[in-house]
Amino acid sequence: DAKTTQPNSMESNEEEPVHLPCNHSTISGTDYIHWYRQLPSQGPEYVIHGLTSNVNNRMASLAIAEDRKSSTLILHRATLRDAAVYYCILRDARYNNNDMRFGAGTRLTVKP
Amino acid sequence: EPEVTQTPSHQVTQMGQEVILRCVPISNHLYFYWYRQILGQKVEFLVSFYNNEISEKSEIFDDQFSVERPDGSNFTLKIRSTKLEDSAMYFCASTKGWIATNEKLFFGSGTQLSVL
Repeated sequence: DAKTTQPNSMESNEEEPVHLPCNHSTISGTDYIHWYRQLPSQGPEYVIHGLTSNVNNRMASLAIAEDRKSSTLILHRATLRDAAVYYCILRDARYNNNDMRFGAGTRLTVKP
Repeated sequence: EPEVTQTPSHQVTQMGQEVILRCVPISNHLYFYWYRQILGQKVEFLVSFYNNEISEKSEIFDDQFSVERPDGSNFTLKIRSTKLEDSAMYFCASTKGWIATNEKLFFGSGTQLSVL
């Protein structure tokens, strides 16, 4: 699977939007972009995923650049509960490996 | 919402002892996983399991580790002879289908293993 690069940490203010970037310049046409997050003292949880088009769900939006070399996870209104480590992971749909490997992620701090 | 449950939440063992970590995946899920996270480090994939067989394993998952689905609901990770470096949070996860089809992973809250 292609590599992703994320900032180590970001800060935001409560009730403001947060844009978490992810660079994946070597992405292939069959790589899906997955986002998970890990709240303190919990296991990771799924946030969103997409291939080419922007995606929205109740938790977040995923904006994918036209060349697909980067993407942004958008939390529309950060709450204190959104403080977590956010992981951007590429998963090639061609490969038959049944695994999902996590990188270091971005630690998001939300200030009241 | 259905969830993956793990027991115990914290386990303390002596170096060299065998330990079994237990998980109950979501009931209609067919694929099961173990991950670990050493304090302050990233979440590391250990193994995936389907139809009573290991489907994928990482370089961490050596002969000291084994997995089993002993009955219709539990999924276990056994460490035969624990080492100090096995101290970590161990997460169980499950999916309905194969990850390559973009199934969502559902994780449990983890078992903190402390090897003394």
